[in-house]
Amino acid sequence: DAGVTQSPTHLIKTRGQHVTLRCSPISGHKSVSWYQQVLGQGPQFIFQYYEKEERGRGNFPDRFSARQFPNYSSELNVNALLLGDSALYLCASSLIRSAYEQYFGPGTRLTVT
Amino acid sequence: AQTVTQSQPEMSVQEAETVTLSCTYDTSESDYYLFWYKQPPSRQMILVIRQEAYKQQNATENRFSVNFQKAAKSFSLKISDSQLGDAAMYFCAYRILTGANNLFFGTGTRLTVIP
Repeated sequence: DAGVTQSPTHLIKTRGQHVTLRCSPISGHKSVSWYQQVLGQGPQFIFQYYEKEERGRGNFPDRFSARQFPNYSSELNVNALLLGDSALYLCASSLIRSAYEQYFGPGTRLTVT
Repeated sequence: AQTVTQSQPEMSVQEAETVTLSCTYDTSESDYYLFWYKQPPSRQMILVIRQEAYKQQNATENRFSVNFQKAAKSFSLKISDSQLGDAAMYFCAYRILTGANNLFFGTGTRLTVIP
């Protein structure tokens, strides 16, 4: 079975631009979470979606938004990019919202110049 | 506040030897899960071992074991018979069972395995 997939692998954007990152969960998994990992730090929680509804949000500004589609894939959108948004964005899926284990994708490396 | 502290930014171990990575956390919750994740240069976060806070028995997974001290809020990882493939960033994390069920991560420990 395919694991969690994310696209694109790498992305370079300019300050002020908008970016969309995509995540496909493991087949059958209904919960998707997004994390931001700045270089040299541990991942920080951004959003959790379950059954297409937002179930949790971390301490991130409104420039960050997300959605989950009927096939449980998800998009993370970031508007008005700042240099500080440069990071590895990780997606994790789980079977249900409170599942013991989350399975992570390989991440999207975003560089803002 | 939910925090996880990994006080060792870097550690090294000789191949075949044993190393212990430290982690402390702070939560007011009584029930939660604890995890150690491994992140190799490929960036993929891989679950190494997990522990339910209500279990007193320390978890083991082949060469990996934990020392869980709930009162002290300590959760260290011991790697026995270290292998070259163990070289990676190791993150300690926990998850409470209410709210968004998200993971709270530490800042990581970079483990180098010396041949």
